Amino acid sequence: DAKTTQPNSMESNEEEPVHLPCNHSTISGTDYIHWYRQLPSQGPEYVIHGLTSNVNNRMASLAIAEDRKSSTLILHRATLRDAAVYYCILRDELVGGATNKLIFGTGTLLAVQP
Amino acid sequence: DAGVIQSPRHEVTEMGQEVTLRCKPISGHNSLFWYRQTMMRGLELLIYFNNNVPIDDSGMPEDRFSAKMPNASFSTLKIQPSEPRDSAVYFCASSWRAASSYEQYFGPGTRLTVT
Repeated sequence: DAKTTQPNSMESNEEEPVHLPCNHSTISGTDYIHWYRQLPSQGPEYVIHGLTSNVNNRMASLAIAEDRKSSTLILHRATLRDAAVYYCILRDELVGGATNKLIFGTGTLLAVQP
Repeated sequence: DAGVIQSPRHEVTEMGQEVTLRCKPISGHNSLFWYRQTMMRGLELLIYFNNNVPIDDSGMPEDRFSAKMPNASFSTLKIQPSEPRDSAVYFCASSWRAASSYEQYFGPGTRLTVT
């Protein structure tokens, strides 16, 4: 499984944008980039995913570098409820008609200050 | 939809006892996953099923752990005998494998304490 590297922790102020980086220099052409987050005392929840193009949804935006060796999750206006651990995960689309297995790393702990 | 349902939410047991954790996936989902989370090891995938068939159990720590999925709406994770090092939060997740995102929906978890 291809590996991702994320900062252990980041801080943000409420209502300011947050850019959470992820490095995945060994990514293959069939790897999708997934982001999940885990709020305190809850199970992880899906945030966004992409392959090559930048993606937007109601929760966040995902900016993918042209060489796909890195990506950035963007929260446009952080709120206190966004304080969580954010996981960047690579999922291989190719193996056996697609495996839906996710391997979680240590993630980035985001603190949001009022 | 009620989401993924796990029971019990908390379990305290003594070393050597059998523990059974239960999961009801979201209706219509055809993939089910069991994870374990500890401070030391983070979130680990134990086993996953597609269409009720175990696909990858390489994460199951040892023979004391077993998982079954007798039908599309129910799965169990059993630990027999339990040990203190099994103390963790166990999450069940489900997804619809044919969907392009393969988004996984997690349950609230079962916090297991083995004394």
